[in-house]
Amino acid sequence: DAGVIQSPRHEVTEMGQEVTLRCKPISGHNSLFWYRQTMMRGLELLIYFNNNVPIDDSGMPEDRFSAKMPNASFSTLKIQPSEPRDSAVYFCASSLALVLAGVEQFFGPGTRLTVL
Amino acid sequence: DAKTTQPTSMDCAEGRAANLPCNHSTISGNEYVYWYRQIHSQGPQYIIHGLKNNETNEMASLIITEDRKSSTLILPHATLRDTAVYYCIVRSPGTYKYIFGTGTRLKVLA
Repeated sequence: DAGVIQSPRHEVTEMGQEVTLRCKPISGHNSLFWYRQTMMRGLELLIYFNNNVPIDDSGMPEDRFSAKMPNASFSTLKIQPSEPRDSAVYFCASSLALVLAGVEQFFGPGTRLTVL
Repeated sequence: DAKTTQPTSMDCAEGRAANLPCNHSTISGNEYVYWYRQIHSQGPQYIIHGLKNNETNEMASLIITEDRKSSTLILPHATLRDTAVYYCIVRSPGTYKYIFGTGTRLKVLA
C-alpha cells in the first residue's frame, strides 16, 4: 500500500502565481481532507470531501482557495492568486467512512509551499 | 468536541517508558480519545484511540481515568525515533473534524 500520495513535495512560487497541489488518497477510502500547517496556527482543516462531494469548506481561508475531487482517486487544492501568507505545509489525508467510531485518518507526506 | 490540554514539552531517556498526559475534563460520554504523532517534516500518524477502557497496541498503551477527564499515552520503551510532537484529540464518532492543539513535543535522549 503506497499510502496517501501528494505532489509536488516542495513548491516555490512568486506572489500572484497560481499553485495547484495534488493528492491521491488510499484506494477504497471515501473521505478526503485537506489541512494546512503553519507555526502560528498549527494544523487546520481546510476542506473535507465525502464520496467526492465537498461537505465542509468552512476552513478555506478565502475565495483564492478552491478544491476539487473529480473522482475517488484524485483531488486538487488550488490557490489563485497566491500570496506570501499562504506559505505553509499542506497535508492531504484520507479515511474510511466516518460514521464508524475509531476510524483513523491517514496523512500524506505534505507539500511545503513557499510563496515569495 | 472537548478541548484538550497537554504539556508543551517532555524529555525521556532512551529505553525508558514515556508517559504523556492529556487533560480533557469537558469530555462527553460518547467522545473518544485519539492520539496522533508527527515526526519532523512528516504527516501526522495515528497511534491509538479509546473510549473508556485501557487500550494497547503494538505502538503504545492508552490509560483513561475512570472519570474520563484525563488520559496517559505510554510508549513502553522509547527510542530516538519516537522523538515527535504528540497530539491528544477528543472526537465524537461520526464527526470528521480533528482539532489538533499544540501537542507535546517529546524528545527522547540517548
